[in-house]
Amino acid sequence: AQSVTQLDSHVSVSEGTPVLLRCNYSSSYSPSLFWYVQHPNKGLQLLLKYTSAATLVKGINGFEAEFKKSETSFHLTKPSAHMSDAAEYFCVVTSSNTGKLIFGQGTTLQVKP
Amino acid sequence: GAGVSQSPSNKVTEKGKDVELRCDPISGHTALYWYRQSLGQGLEFLIYFQGNSAPDKSGLPSDRFSAERTGGSVSTLTIQRTQQEDSAVYLCASSPGDFREVNEQFFGPGTRLTVL
Repeated sequence: AQSVTQLDSHVSVSEGTPVLLRCNYSSSYSPSLFWYVQHPNKGLQLLLKYTSAATLVKGINGFEAEFKKSETSFHLTKPSAHMSDAAEYFCVVTSSNTGKLIFGQGTTLQVKP
Repeated sequence: GAGVSQSPSNKVTEKGKDVELRCDPISGHTALYWYRQSLGQGLEFLIYFQGNSAPDKSGLPSDRFSAERTGGSVSTLTIQRTQQEDSAVYLCASSPGDFREVNEQFFGPGTRLTVL
């Protein structure tokens, strides 16, 4: 069975400093992985996806993630945080059987001025 | 273009009543998913439709929950005899193609259900 674990429930950074949101996955096959973002009172939005092409994936708003099979990780990074990045971030793996999304517990990103 | 829409946006009901939640997917999207987001359980999958059939209902928490999709478009999630633990935000997502293609799922804004 597939699963993801987000290692931090809450991350706080200062504006202009790097962001690192950590995610480990478990899968019996080569997984498809995603990061979704949810701003307060807004719907879920796809940030980026990994589908076994390039291991370094670039997404929207300057975010990127690197798939590391040896570490079973898919950490999300951004070089410089912006106030508008404050939101809930979900690491997600997709089931091979039906494409249903299996969500991590979420990481709340706080950006301080 | 139009995204996924859900109605109502908020629903307050009394314990024991039945509720219907509606999802209008993006036109042409054949795959439709229902999820539930609650404080205690996070985001959970409920049911998956491909066209009008539901090959995966494994996430429905009890037989009080059912869903249907007609015309390969609109879907309705029905909860009978609601309980307080059913309180959550119910999210609908649609996707082009079927599960064998790794497509983005586009989410609606959700229906916030409160059972008193």
